[in-house]
Formats: sequence, structure tokens, C-alpha cells
Amino acid sequence: EIVLTQSPATLSLSPGERATLSCRASQSVKSYLAWYQQKPGQAPRLLIYDASNRATGVPARFSGSGSGTDFTLTISSLHPEDFAVYYCQQRSNWPPTFGQGTKVEIK
Amino acid sequence: QVQLQQWGAGLLKPSETLSLTCAVYGESLSAFYWSWIRQPPGKGLEWIGDIIDSGSTNYNPSLESRVTLSVDTSKNLFSLRLNSVTAADTAVYYCARGRQFPSQFDPWGQGTLVTVSS
Repeated sequence: EIVLTQSPATLSLSPGERATLSCRASQSVKSYLAWYQQKPGQAPRLLIYDASNRATGVPARFSGSGSGTDFTLTISSLHPEDFAVYYCQQRSNWPPTFGQGTKVEIK
Repeated sequence: QVQLQQWGAGLLKPSETLSLTCAVYGESLSAFYWSWIRQPPGKGLEWIGDIIDSGSTNYNPSLESRVTLSVDTSKNLFSLRLNSVTAADTAVYYCARGRQFPSQFDPWGQGTLVTVSS
């Protein structure tokens, strides 16, 4: 089973700042990595799939990059609604697995 | 626009069987993989398994001995059964759609909190 390690656990930033979230895989997942946003009491929402493709309706301030074992989710300028927990997930190997999450909180 | 709506019992005793159902609206079950994913309170996400319209399934090895997924194409819904539950199975359970196997998941159901307590 592939282990995904997200860092940092918590990111404290102000609205308008740039957020950079990291996800590292225990072995190569090629480009088969997705990112999700989860707000309290809600289901996760797909943001990015296959490392760099934005899902339908996702604002352009969200971007993904990376391949192999190292991936990044960047939020170019934080909006108030972007403060949430973000998870990465790999679909390269079975079973699909998730990272433990990064919480983006208001500083 | 596809929507997933799920329901099931929210409070179980140890050793009982968890049973949840997810109805799919706006799309046929065919051509997609339909998954269950769970999230213990305050923790991360765990994929449980998935099923396609033919009834073919894939299960997470960590739960395979206790999980059964089923599908009812006439009603456009799929279901999860997890037997012999313990407190460790307390979680929010989500249904979700995948486009391939393995997959990313989009969209998700609203989630059902299942609490196991004596």
C-alpha cells in the first residue's frame, strides 16, 4: 500500500497570501494524484486530478504540479472560503490511499 | 448533474452489521465505479471498496473479510454492508463515483455518521 505524507500538518496564512501544500508518496504514483478540499461537516470536493488537471468548476487560483513521488497544491491567493483541510489521494496502485491532510487556517 | 444521496442506520452496537445505501440521480450506474469511503472523527480518509453495474467488486484488504457491496441497477443504487462492527468502525461513511479503477472520486454523497457504542 502506498503511503502519502502531507506537509505541513497546519498552514497558518492570511487572506490574499499564497499557500503551498506538499504531498510525498512512498513510491512513484506517476501522475495519478488528486487533491480534495474538505470543509467542516461537508464531504470532500475534488479539486485536482492526475496531478495538474482542475476539476469542473474549480477556480483557476488552484493549481497542482509534480510527478513521481513529490506533488504540490498551490493556492495563488487565498480567499476566505479556501480555509479548509486538503487531502491528496493516489490512484496509481491498488488500493487507492489518502494523505492525512493539511489544514489551512486563518492566521 | 449527478447527485448521490445516501442513508442508513446511524447507531449500532458492537457485533452488529452496518448497512448503508446510496442512490444515484442524474446518471446511470453503468460505465462508472461506485465506491464507499470512510472517515473516523477527526481523522483521514479510508477507501473501503467499489462496485460496478455488473456486480463486480474490489475491496480494501484491510476490510475485505467483513465487507459486502451490492448493486441494484433497477433502482440505480448501491449498498454497503460491514459486519461485526466495533468502536473502531465509528466514522462518517461516504459514497462516491469513480471513473476508472483505481480512481479519483467525484462527486461524493453527503455522508452518514455511524456510531458504534454499547
